[in-house]
Amino acid sequence: GAVVSQHPSWVICKSGTSVKIECRSLDFQATTMFWYRQFPKQSLMLMATSNEGSKATYEQGVEKDKFLINHASLTLSTLTVTSAHPEDSSFYICSAYTSGFNEQFFGPGTRLTVL
Amino acid sequence: GQNIDQPTEMTATEGAIVQINCTYQTSGFNGLFWYQQHAGEAPTFLSYNVLDGLEEKGRFSSFLSRSKGYSYLLLKELQMKDSASYLCASWGGGGNKLTFGTGTQLKVEL
Repeated sequence: GAVVSQHPSWVICKSGTSVKIECRSLDFQATTMFWYRQFPKQSLMLMATSNEGSKATYEQGVEKDKFLINHASLTLSTLTVTSAHPEDSSFYICSAYTSGFNEQFFGPGTRLTVL
Repeated sequence: GQNIDQPTEMTATEGAIVQINCTYQTSGFNGLFWYQQHAGEAPTFLSYNVLDGLEEKGRFSSFLSRSKGYSYLLLKELQMKDSASYLCASWGGGGNKLTFGTGTQLKVEL
């Protein structure tokens, strides 16, 4: 149980385009989903916390207008990287959490490459 | 605020034991996680400690001292496949947030 999927697993796009990444909890309802970014040889950095039905809470230094997060249901959250640039190239990982579990369940990650 | 410290790299020999240390400063502390991450993959859960003491799970054990803000991950009978990055993460700071350390890159050699 407690499986989280992400789609796509990798994406290559041109600079200036927008990319949407989906995060789904497959066998449980997630009240909270988290979005992380990981650059090569660095650790996971939390970008934002998303609660179903409410606006996401962004960490300091993360532009909310550039990284749009939607958490429309208890099983789906999306992250849209708008007007992507090469410096946005990174590994984006989501996780899902619900009360009763003592951990976050991580998706497999999405590798974004912006040309 | 949150602050996590762990060594950047470690090297150990196949069959040996290695201990990876982690110190943390976390407000509203709710527990300490250890994850294993292979290159290009998402982290996988290894252990969770919320009470002081040692938790053993097969070849892996994790220890926590809340008063000292200290944890370690102990890996026994090392195998080549254990070569990976090991991430220490504290849970707390409000909003069920996980704060990750930089990760310890473990290299297991013959």
